[in-house]
Amino acid sequence: SQQGEEDPQALSIQEGENATMNCSYKTSINNLQWYRQNSGRGLVHLILIRSNEREKHSGRLRVTLDTSKKSSSLLITASRAADTASYFCATVLTSGSARQLTFGSGTQLTVLP
Amino acid sequence: EPEVTQTPSHQVTQMGQEVILRCVPISNHLYFYWYRQILGQKVEFLVSFYNNEISEKSEIFDDQFSVERPDGSNFTLKIRSTKLEDSAMYFCASRFPGGTNTEAFFGQGTRLTVV
Repeated sequence: SQQGEEDPQALSIQEGENATMNCSYKTSINNLQWYRQNSGRGLVHLILIRSNEREKHSGRLRVTLDTSKKSSSLLITASRAADTASYFCATVLTSGSARQLTFGSGTQLTVLP
Repeated sequence: EPEVTQTPSHQVTQMGQEVILRCVPISNHLYFYWYRQILGQKVEFLVSFYNNEISEKSEIFDDQFSVERPDGSNFTLKIRSTKLEDSAMYFCASRFPGGTNTEAFFGQGTRLTVV
């Protein structure tokens, strides 16, 4: 598998429920970031978690990072219809001077009203 | 709030033509990037630019591609002779050099359609 693979590929939930998306990666990272993309639009940065952090919160978002398992999860609590979008994890590798992002394939989240 | 702006939002071009995609990064950022996303696929890194030169590029970024920062504000991606497979969404991003742990800010993208 490739660096940054999300699971599941698609997730459909009811408004008010929590949504959990997972990301796995293969090589050593500096940090891992989650982005959101509405259909056909740009990428919006949600949250960054450093390799020495285990959990981070931002509003309704909670991100965890387990470097021993090379995995991360994004939890969106009390979801809203407006949360419908694709969510991507992206890693910044320890190698590479430019700190470019390596994106996963994304999870398409649909929140039903 | 400062943002990365890209123009045009949509460009249609004939195969073999040259295209220039334009970006205005956030003014105090020093790292600039181009990424692309073919429809239905993942976002792929093309090139990074720092201190007026390319710092890294992917294998996608071949001799048909070039980048330039012609003045203090614009950052452009040129495709010399477009192919059908260049059709994609192209994203510009910029980053403030605050160590390794700063996020990249993305523009809204330019949708390039090669016909």
